[in-house]
Amino acid sequence: SYELTQPPSVSVSPGQTARITCSGDALPKKYAYWYQQKSGQAPVLVIYEDSKRPSGIPERFSGSSSGTMATLTISGAQVEDEADYYCYSTDSSGNQVFGGGTKLTVL
Amino acid sequence: QVQLVQSGAEVKKPGASVKVSCKASGYTFTSYGISWVRQAPGQGLEWMGWISAYNGNTNYAQKLQGRVTMTTDTSTSTAYMELRSLRSDDTAVYYCARDAPPSGGSIDYWGQGTLVTVSS
Repeated sequence: SYELTQPPSVSVSPGQTARITCSGDALPKKYAYWYQQKSGQAPVLVIYEDSKRPSGIPERFSGSSSGTMATLTISGAQVEDEADYYCYSTDSSGNQVFGGGTKLTVL
Repeated sequence: QVQLVQSGAEVKKPGASVKVSCKASGYTFTSYGISWVRQAPGQGLEWMGWISAYNGNTNYAQKLQGRVTMTTDTSTSTAYMELRSLRSDDTAVYYCARDAPPSGGSIDYWGQGTLVTVSS
């Protein structure tokens, strides 16, 4: 079955740039989406279609995709950005899949 | 504003069934689909399947085929997810999420989640 691979954890100091990667064989042809999930809450969309930012999401959140890897970048990470981040995409058959999640620590 | 409001927490015994509802508002229900996603305690997100609110077409995750049924009621803008033959590893928070046609793959808004506990 199709898999999206993320690092389990990323740690940065406040004000630094955090980069979270997501690798998958179908990413050259399929969009990546990114969700932020804080403890005890439902996920929130932060990036859609590789690099678009929904209204209300701070400009420090950006996304990119090249080849088989998509990247979520948080420029000038803040303490309130500490959360689990999940990438999401589809395979060639239309089945949807989430990455395993990355725990971002900002301290 | 788009809202998805789910039914309350459930406690079920192994072998039983559970049906979770998801009432949508703030958009044209039949212009989108609904995906269901679950999250076991301390674990990541798992996509369960998708249903079109326009024509009822479904696409279920292979591991749940035969145990899950997703339906919609367009008269009340409500989606339902039924899971049968429950096991302890089905204990999870179940989320509904708005997803785009024609086959999903672009979740934007999420419900608040419904905790389903399977225990004897």
